[in-house]
Amino acid sequence: DQQVKQNSPSLSVQEGRISILNCDYTNSMFDYFLWYKKYPAEGPTFLISISSIKDKNEDGRFTVFLNKSAKHLSLHIVPSQPGDSAVYFCAASADYGQNFVFGPGTRLSVLP
Amino acid sequence: DTEVTQTPKHLVMGMTNKKSLKCEQHMGHRAMYWYKQKAKKPPELMFVYSYEKLSINESVPSRFSPECPNSSLLNLHLHALQPEDSALYLCASSQSTGLNTEAFFGQGTRLTVV
Repeated sequence: DQQVKQNSPSLSVQEGRISILNCDYTNSMFDYFLWYKKYPAEGPTFLISISSIKDKNEDGRFTVFLNKSAKHLSLHIVPSQPGDSAVYFCAASADYGQNFVFGPGTRLSVLP
Repeated sequence: DTEVTQTPKHLVMGMTNKKSLKCEQHMGHRAMYWYKQKAKKPPELMFVYSYEKLSINESVPSRFSPECPNSSLLNLHLHALQPEDSALYLCASSQSTGLNTEAFFGQGTRLTVV
């Protein structure tokens, strides 16, 4: 049973609009979350993180929201750019970053 | 089978030892990755193999030596490590290194260098 789910395998967004990528988890012990992105010919690279003591973390165009009661987090990219086209992975840890469980990824395509 | 299997789960080694970490997948994936993760930090990419050839080496010291003997196996050979190399070493695989590929991660090997 997947502990970290990303139910949308793909998403297409127009350039300049907001991209919202969703992630759901089942383990209430998860206390630290990451978003990764993966470009062609590269491994996944770290994008942004959030710990369970927060409900929002921003870094430039990227904002991650955490709803602990719903066991849901989302990544907002505003405004979306064609260079953001990649596969985005959500990952969760139950021991504050010691070990991670990864979701299957969502492919984002930002159209010019 | 959608698993990436890493062995051993835990490893303690001295600074003069030589050891190897192993990663295996049987999903037909042609891209495999090694990551190093320190406590409370996100994993950092070390190496990428694509079609059994090393395609990315993220300036990793030569005391870490990757090897991809076939499309299902990825090894990380360790020699003369330092205590600061103690970390969780994660392996991942994907169909290819292309855009539309899902990546699967193993559970990692917890390495302690003494």
